[in-house]
Amino acid sequence: SYVLTQPPSVSVAPGQTATFTCGGDEIGTKSVHWYQQKPGQAPVLVVYDDSDRPSGIPERFSGSNSGNTATLTISRVEAGDEADYFCQVWDRNSVHVVFGGGTQLTVL
Amino acid sequence: QEQLVESGGGVVQPGASLRLSCAASGFTFSSYALHWVRQPPGKGLDWVAVISVDENNKYFADSVKGRFTISRDNSKNTLYLQMNSLRVEDTAVYHCARRYLSSSGDSFDIWGQGTMVTVSS
Repeated sequence: SYVLTQPPSVSVAPGQTATFTCGGDEIGTKSVHWYQQKPGQAPVLVVYDDSDRPSGIPERFSGSNSGNTATLTISRVEAGDEADYFCQVWDRNSVHVVFGGGTQLTVL
Repeated sequence: QEQLVESGGGVVQPGASLRLSCAASGFTFSSYALHWVRQPPGKGLDWVAVISVDENNKYFADSVKGRFTISRDNSKNTLYLQMNSLRVEDTAVYHCARRYLSSSGDSFDIWGQGTMVTVSS
């Protein structure tokens, strides 16, 4: 089955840039989606189809995808961005949705 | 306001059954594929199942295949998850989620807050 690998944690100071990676075999051939989840809340879609933002998501959130790594970038990080971030794909071979293990963002 | 609200969770013993419901409002329910996604306490997201708009296509995670079934009633704007032969490892918050139509892949734009299922002896 398809596996997505995320580092468990990322720490950045306010105003800096946070970068989240999501590794998978030839992930560049798939559409990658990213979710933000704060404690006790449902996940929120922040980037879909590698680099598109749903309505209401700030431009500070951006994404890219190539080769074996997809990336979510949050520019000018704010305290309110502190959350877990999950990547996700649809694996056509297994007809399964796959999530990465998630990365916890700490704003120092 | 577009919304999904889950219900039906609870505490059950291993081997028991439970049916979860997900009530939709604020959008045309019959136009969307729907998923169940679960999250064990303190852990990450774990996809469970998906159902197409007309119920003709249903897919399940390997961990639940043969034990869980997914269905929908478009006349009642409600999604269901029938869970049989429950195991301790099925303990999780269960969310229903709507497939995002603007996405070429299967992303989820609306999520319910979830209902807690605890399987324990």
